[in-house]
Amino acid sequence: DTGVSQDPRHKITKRGQNVTFRCDPISEHNRLYWYRQTLGQGPEFLTYFQNEAQLEKSRLLSDRFSAERPKGSFSTLEIQRTEQGDSAMYLCASSLGTGGRSNNEQFFGPGTRLTVL
Amino acid sequence: AQTVTQSQPEMSVQEAETVTLSCTYDTSESNYYLFWYKQPPSRQMILVIRQEAYKQQNATENRFSVNFQKAAKSFSLKISDSQLGDTAMYFCAFMKHVGGSNYKLTFGKGTLLTVNP
Repeated sequence: DTGVSQDPRHKITKRGQNVTFRCDPISEHNRLYWYRQTLGQGPEFLTYFQNEAQLEKSRLLSDRFSAERPKGSFSTLEIQRTEQGDSAMYLCASSLGTGGRSNNEQFFGPGTRLTVL
Repeated sequence: AQTVTQSQPEMSVQEAETVTLSCTYDTSESNYYLFWYKQPPSRQMILVIRQEAYKQQNATENRFSVNFQKAAKSFSLKISDSQLGDTAMYFCAFMKHVGGSNYKLTFGKGTLLTVNP
């Protein structure tokens, strides 16, 4: 296991279509985070999981967005009825939740770049 | 809510010279962490250096060091002996520390650093 992976790396879709992204965290990490990064901005928090439980959702996560982490392993982020404003880089990160010096470091994946036409 | 401000959208430095990137933050939390992340062009974000707020000593990692001024809520990054590979977007980030667990990151807008040969 070499790090956090995300799939796909790029996604182009038409407005109104649904899209789903996948994130595979580092295997022993129990926390998983989703962030959104638009051009010229820093990443913004969307939601996070501890194991399979979704503990917090940002107000940025409208009802068109849904995230899951079945069995506490990989996670999916789905956007329904995409809008042009959803165009962004979607980043996934994972970390150890508690214990140890390294538990506060979040390891990021390469991101999925979404373009909505 | 926490905010992180990076007032320098872009900076440039000559190879082998020293550069300092600025970051200020606002929080009412007493227990938190501060980070500098590096995002090279078209590559994933990696942690450069971290600082625990309860530690008075400034963190150092090889050529990277911070100047943490808790009262002023300032957290600058100094890069010594700049290398071409340091060219990247640098993000300052804040994480509150709740009950022994880590939490979401709040990022600044970033500073684009270019190291010139």
